[in-house]
Amino acid sequence: AQKVTQAQTEISVVEKEDVTLDCVYETRDTTYYLFWYKQPPSGELVFLIRRNSFDEQNEISGRYSWNFQKSTSSFNFTITASQVVDSAVYFCALTYNTDKLIFGTGTRLQVFP
Amino acid sequence: GAVVSQHPSWVICKSGTSVKIECRSLDFQATTMFWYRQFPKQSLMLMATSNEGSKATYEQGVEKDKFLINHASLTLSTLTVTSAHPEDSSFYICSARRGRQETQYFGPGTRLLVL
Repeated sequence: AQKVTQAQTEISVVEKEDVTLDCVYETRDTTYYLFWYKQPPSGELVFLIRRNSFDEQNEISGRYSWNFQKSTSSFNFTITASQVVDSAVYFCALTYNTDKLIFGTGTRLQVFP
Repeated sequence: GAVVSQHPSWVICKSGTSVKIECRSLDFQATTMFWYRQFPKQSLMLMATSNEGSKATYEQGVEKDKFLINHASLTLSTLTVTSAHPEDSSFYICSARRGRQETQYFGPGTRLLVL
């Protein structure tokens, strides 16, 4: 079965705190892709990152970083020095040979000033 | 990144009317477009996959006669909600991608309210 689990339903932090959003996936395929999308209150899904199953290098983009670990089937997302503008729902997603995106249930992040 | 637009962003209609939503890829050709539905505080639910020039593939439980999808060109797909009823009220969001295994880029979504 293909599945994405985001166990954290909602996280609240104060500005400048670091926060990690967890994502655990299940797939039997050896070739797959993992994604993170951000959905601010406006509703649009904003693409953040794509990672293929053969590339376990961690990635950093400004205040954002991602930790991909195949051994634990996890693809966690960390925001360093969070800001109010980071408040949104974040979705982790998986795609494999069917090309469909399997979404997690999302984590709502609230950053308070 | 790639830009996907949706029109309209908001629509309010009376029960029984049909509503058409457009999804356009503005700066790339999309061989495949997807239509999703999202209820408040829930994840996205895939409704159908649309390939240019062919019939859409609907997910189980989605009525194809109610949700008509047309993908007439590499930059435009339309979703028509026929004879809309209050239970069809939702947030509809499309995505587009260049090719297989490519990233899906999402439109801004359309909020439909059926009175």
